[in-house]
Amino acid sequence: AQKVTQAQTEISVVEKEDVTLDCVYETRDTTYYLFWYKQPPSGELVFLIRRNSFDEQNEISGRYSWNFQKSTSSFNFTITASQVVDSAVYFCALSEPARDYGGATNKLIFGTGTLLAVQP
Amino acid sequence: DTAVSQTPKYLVTQMGNDKSIKCEQNLGHDTMYWYKQDSKKFLKIMFSYNNKELIINETVPNRFSPKSPDKAHLNLHINSLELGDSAVYFCASSPGTGLDLTNEKLFFGSGTQLSVL
Repeated sequence: AQKVTQAQTEISVVEKEDVTLDCVYETRDTTYYLFWYKQPPSGELVFLIRRNSFDEQNEISGRYSWNFQKSTSSFNFTITASQVVDSAVYFCALSEPARDYGGATNKLIFGTGTLLAVQP
Repeated sequence: DTAVSQTPKYLVTQMGNDKSIKCEQNLGHDTMYWYKQDSKKFLKIMFSYNNKELIINETVPNRFSPKSPDKAHLNLHINSLELGDSAVYFCASSPGTGLDLTNEKLFFGSGTQLSVL
């Protein structure tokens, strides 16, 4: 079973539209972290946000906002008034104790990514 | 100054060759990683090292051998390259020990695109 599911493979919007990228995760642990990373066409991975499992407050950073709902195991990402520069692949990721290493270390598990294309 | 730098950015080589990708971080982090991103953009961890010690080794063929001469460097050597090794390889580092979830934000290098012909 996939640990981090990003069901939207590709989304295309027109500039200034709002867009929400979905992320659903699966874990047996009570302590874990969730992340969003951005990969623009240039290829590098850019950290956007980290949220721990005990903090369900929504977060806003400029045009970006994140909605963490433990009850539905979701950590969705909304871009308000999208811009062409937002075009990228966005990855949701889960960091949890790695049971296959006896929980002695953590693993960051990525979703398959959502390609967002913002048209001018 | 680039925080996590990896070289080369592009690597084109023939099947059967041996090649290395170098990675250095100047952030003073204790933990370093190698991730592989396939043609479908799927990112998967390959290895992690904490203070030069191998922590995670994820079912990677033993043709792949990471080497950490010190905690600021984690190089990836690949023997007998195969077509299926073509991918983008990302190095990363984190300030944590790899054991403490509270400090596990990863800083990624810009990637090395490996093409095996």
